[in-house]
Amino acid sequence: EVQLVESGGGLVQPGGSLRLSCVASGFTSSSYSMSWVRQAPGKGLEWVSYISTSSSTIYYADSVKGRFTISRDDAKNSLYLQMNSLRDEDTAVYHCVSGPVQYYFDFWGQGTLVTVSS
Amino acid sequence: DIQMTQSPSSLSASVGDRVTITCRASQGIRNYLVWYQQKPGKVPKLLIYAASTLQSGVPSRFSGSGSGTDFTLTISSLQPEDVATYYCQQYDSAPYTFGQGTKLEIK
Repeated sequence: EVQLVESGGGLVQPGGSLRLSCVASGFTSSSYSMSWVRQAPGKGLEWVSYISTSSSTIYYADSVKGRFTISRDDAKNSLYLQMNSLRDEDTAVYHCVSGPVQYYFDFWGQGTLVTVSS
Repeated sequence: DIQMTQSPSSLSASVGDRVTITCRASQGIRNYLVWYQQKPGKVPKLLIYAASTLQSGVPSRFSGSGSGTDFTLTISSLQPEDVATYYCQQYDSAPYTFGQGTKLEIK
């Protein structure tokens, strides 16, 4: 069974940092590109960042470019999102996502909640 | 960046009705569009990819069509379990933008 399990969310003050992690199981995650998608409370879905296999290609949404960094460690079946200079509008549930085709998402984690507030 | 606009934002229909949701891209995206269904409290589920190909296990009452800038998701006969918010997403080019969602309720 495919599983994506996120961790690392929490309450952080504006300007602070957090590092999200996602552990994949049930599939060979090293062979799949992966992404982060977020959903603010009561709002729609927003794609955040993408990383290809071997980390050769990385993309970011304009809203997080220069502040967030995506990375992966295939030896640990893990995906990461380093989030710096956090803003109120970054408050959301962050989902780790993947799938057999690169740019859309068949596999979703349950998400980890990030709350940015003073 | 490609903007995705869904309409309507919400709709209410009766069981058995034919329901259509539209998604418009701000520029041509060929057929690189997917539809997701998100039920309350759940993560999104992939329904349709490549604009019109039904994901395995999805009921045949769901269908998708379109190419270029205009796309539709159709439910041929609405069922109570179809209550959800539906999202389109383009994957033609980064950033891989979503529509704002269409909330579907039973009348």
